[in-house]
Amino acid sequence: DQQVKQNSPSLSVQEGRISILNCDYTNSMFDYFLWYKKYPAEGPTFLISISSIKDKNEDGRFTVFLNKSAKHLSLHIVPSQPGDSAVYFCAASLDFGNEKLTFGTGTRLTIIP
Amino acid sequence: DAGITQSPRHKVTETGTPVTLRCHQTENHRYMYWYRQDPGHGLRLIHYSYGVKDTDKGEVSDGYSVSRSKTEDFLLTLESATSSQTSVYFCAISDQLAGDNEQFFGPGTRLTVL
Repeated sequence: DQQVKQNSPSLSVQEGRISILNCDYTNSMFDYFLWYKKYPAEGPTFLISISSIKDKNEDGRFTVFLNKSAKHLSLHIVPSQPGDSAVYFCAASLDFGNEKLTFGTGTRLTIIP
Repeated sequence: DAGITQSPRHKVTETGTPVTLRCHQTENHRYMYWYRQDPGHGLRLIHYSYGVKDTDKGEVSDGYSVSRSKTEDFLLTLESATSSQTSVYFCAISDQLAGDNEQFFGPGTRLTVL
């Protein structure tokens, strides 16, 4: 049972445009959400996170939106750059102090120059 | 970057042989994790540790065991490797005191079971 879902395995976006990556979850007990970025042959690296008490968190070009009623979060990258080409994973945990993360299946983002 | 190393980085083995993967950290973080990454499944938690000699199962723990005798080392053992355990294995660490649930990942070990 996949509790965190990323329904788009891949996404291509023109350089300079907005990239929107989506993530849905089924467990209403999830309380904290994170996005990770992964380049080939490397481990994932943390990108941005959001607590369920917020509906938006912004860090430079990256913004994460959370819609708790829809059990949906999205990552916006503006403007998209070639270095953003990677696999993006969303992850969720049951609460802020809970160290276990449940990951989605990932979305491969390709930025077209 | 968090100080996490994994060894070996690549391994090819035969079905039925035992395999041990090592994760070593220099950050003194309390929590350590083992994940496997497979196409269509993302990252799945195998086992994790919340302290020396304290471990627990993740969602795909069958066929795997772990040990943590020191804060800095977390070993993953495949007692009798099977082809279904061909995967990329990632170790991760975290520290609750860091203020969020962020986990730091190692570079990965690519394991092929023939």
